[in-house]
Amino acid sequence: QVQLVESGGGVVQPGRSLRLSCAASGFTFRTYGMHWVRQAPGKGLEWVAVISYDGSVKYYADPLKGRFTISRDNSKNTLYLQMNSLRAEDTAVYHCAKDRGDGDYNYYGMDVWGQGTTVTVSS
Amino acid sequence: EIVLTQSPSTLSLSPGERATLSCRATQGVSSSYLAWYQQKPGQAPRLLIYGASSWATGIPDRFNGSGSGTDFTLTISRLEPEDFAVYYCQQYGSSPLTFGGGTKVEIK
Repeated sequence: QVQLVESGGGVVQPGRSLRLSCAASGFTFRTYGMHWVRQAPGKGLEWVAVISYDGSVKYYADPLKGRFTISRDNSKNTLYLQMNSLRAEDTAVYHCAKDRGDGDYNYYGMDVWGQGTTVTVSS
Repeated sequence: EIVLTQSPSTLSLSPGERATLSCRATQGVSSSYLAWYQQKPGQAPRLLIYGASSWATGIPDRFNGSGSGTDFTLTISRLEPEDFAVYYCQQYGSSPLTFGGGTKVEIK
């Protein structure tokens, strides 16, 4: 079945880095755009970043530009999120999500979600 | 950036009642690129509606999306026990993509 499984979360000190991974299965990963979305404890959803099916186009939430980098390895069916200079306000559950559309550079909503990986930034 | 404001923040209703959730954008959402998601505690969000009014796969027809431009609505015609959850709207027509703050539908 179609599945996304995130990993790489944990407790990290402020200022440190962390890389999250999202392993995809059950669909043709290389043809779909992919997103990261986060949710701070008790808060709503916050879109983080999106990457096109081929990795050539990336967009970020404005506050995260320059600290977070989205990437993908289509040979490994895996999505990544490199997070640098982490702050307490980055504490959240991070979900990866598959875009509904395939094969172009537009976005159509997120139809498959992973359960998320928890990142806690604390000294 | 398009800001989405959802109202009300909480809706207290009984099973069988009709729920009407609003999502208002600070500027027009291009091509009605608006989606609705449902999230239950401890679970990932689930796509309900895309393109403002199209059902995602497997979504029952008691969920209906409508609207265009800056005003969108999600209507649940008759609430089932499993529908009590938090609902988010999201626009994906322009970057940055943005979510509304959510509406919690709770049992009265």
